[in-house]
Amino acid sequence: KAGVTQTPRYLIKTRGQQVTLSCSPISGHRSVSWYQQTPGQGLQFLFEYFSETQRNKGNFPGRFSGRQFSNSRSEMNVSTLELGDSALYLCASSTTGGGGTDTQYFGPGTRLTVL
Amino acid sequence: QKEVEQNSGPLSVPEGAIASLNCTYSDRGSQSFFWYRQYSGKSPELIMSIYSNGDKEDGRFTAQLNKASQYVSLLIRDSQPSDSATYLCAVSFLFGNEKLTFGTGTRLTIIP
Repeated sequence: KAGVTQTPRYLIKTRGQQVTLSCSPISGHRSVSWYQQTPGQGLQFLFEYFSETQRNKGNFPGRFSGRQFSNSRSEMNVSTLELGDSALYLCASSTTGGGGTDTQYFGPGTRLTVL
Repeated sequence: QKEVEQNSGPLSVPEGAIASLNCTYSDRGSQSFFWYRQYSGKSPELIMSIYSNGDKEDGRFTAQLNKASQYVSLLIRDSQPSDSATYLCAVSFLFGNEKLTFGTGTRLTIIP
């Protein structure tokens, strides 16, 4: 089975721009979660989508948004980029999500640099 | 505030020795516990998951869970230089659909 894929792998943007990141989950996985990883804050949960619905959300401003398509692929959008948005954005997929014994598998990440 | 705490290290262990990594969590409702390994510049990869009190072994890795004391640990036997990485403890909580809460990770270095 192919793993989680993310595109693009690297992005360089300037402050004020917006960016869209894409994630394709493992085949058969319906839950997609997004995380931001920075050296100072570590891995922080952004949001989770399941069956095209945002099921849970972390403590990030409204500039961060996402969506999920019927094929479970997900996109994440960040508007009005700030320098502090520079990070590794990781997508993870699981069969159903919802905690419990479900395991998340991570993609390779998108490295976003905001200048 | 649900928290997961780890000693950030760095933890240095001689090759062939046992590396011991610890993690504490604040919410007694936590039900699932994971250890991820992350090499520099790479994404986290799952090493172990544990859901019940006690030990769970997988090759050179043993995860230990003590829900009464709210800690989970990872032991790596016969440590190899390839084990040098950051180890992330992650917890899934019982109520709601909250996703994984990660500790900040422990950097482990195996000294040849």
